[in-house]
Amino acid sequence: QKEVEQDPGPLSVPEGAIVSLNCTYSNSAFQYFMWYRQYSRKGPELLMYTYSSGNKEDGRFTAQVDKSSKYISLFIRDSQPSDSATYLCAMSAGKTSYDKVIFGPGTSLSVIP
Amino acid sequence: GAVVSQHPSWVICKSGTSVKIECRSLDFQATTMFWYRQFPKQSLMLMATSNEGSKATYEQGVEKDKFLINHASLTLSTLTVTSAHPEDSSFYICSASHPKPGETGSITGELFFGEGSRLTVL
Repeated sequence: QKEVEQDPGPLSVPEGAIVSLNCTYSNSAFQYFMWYRQYSRKGPELLMYTYSSGNKEDGRFTAQVDKSSKYISLFIRDSQPSDSATYLCAMSAGKTSYDKVIFGPGTSLSVIP
Repeated sequence: GAVVSQHPSWVICKSGTSVKIECRSLDFQATTMFWYRQFPKQSLMLMATSNEGSKATYEQGVEKDKFLINHASLTLSTLTVTSAHPEDSSFYICSASHPKPGETGSITGELFFGEGSRLTVL
């Protein structure tokens, strides 16, 4: 079993739809959870950063963490064509630069005008 | 957010030659930088952790003699692919941790990535 699982998609939605992206993980030691957006042939861009369980909202983006289920989600409201990208979840157990960050394989999202 | 610059963005080289990729943190000092490799439609694979002033820590299965990493200053890390072969063709990405104000160390996960370097070995 991989440490972080993520449905690779592709996921295609109409403009304005609510998008739900999810990851599951197996390591109960993970406590820092991130979502990155990666456009084609570009480096990833940090979208959301959360610690432990709970919700965090930033504009049209909401990140949810359920540590009891080892499940994290990213919701995108009022999706736009510019949201079309690959979304990577990432997580880590520690708080120092030396702790490894594990990435999911990414979900490819297309928002159709 | 913090800016990490990577150069070159793409490079084509002949088999057997060496290629150097630079990663710079432009507006902050990064004691630790990370190098990743990404194959098409796959996730980021951590190759090594680069620490300023000391030897890099390589992940299992990554050849340290082939992928030379130098972190000579707080704003620059370099990855040199030595004696490149076609199987080394990939997208190489660097990242750096950006400490928050008041924090004594870097927060894991708040990584800022370079734009990536696409290497094609003929």
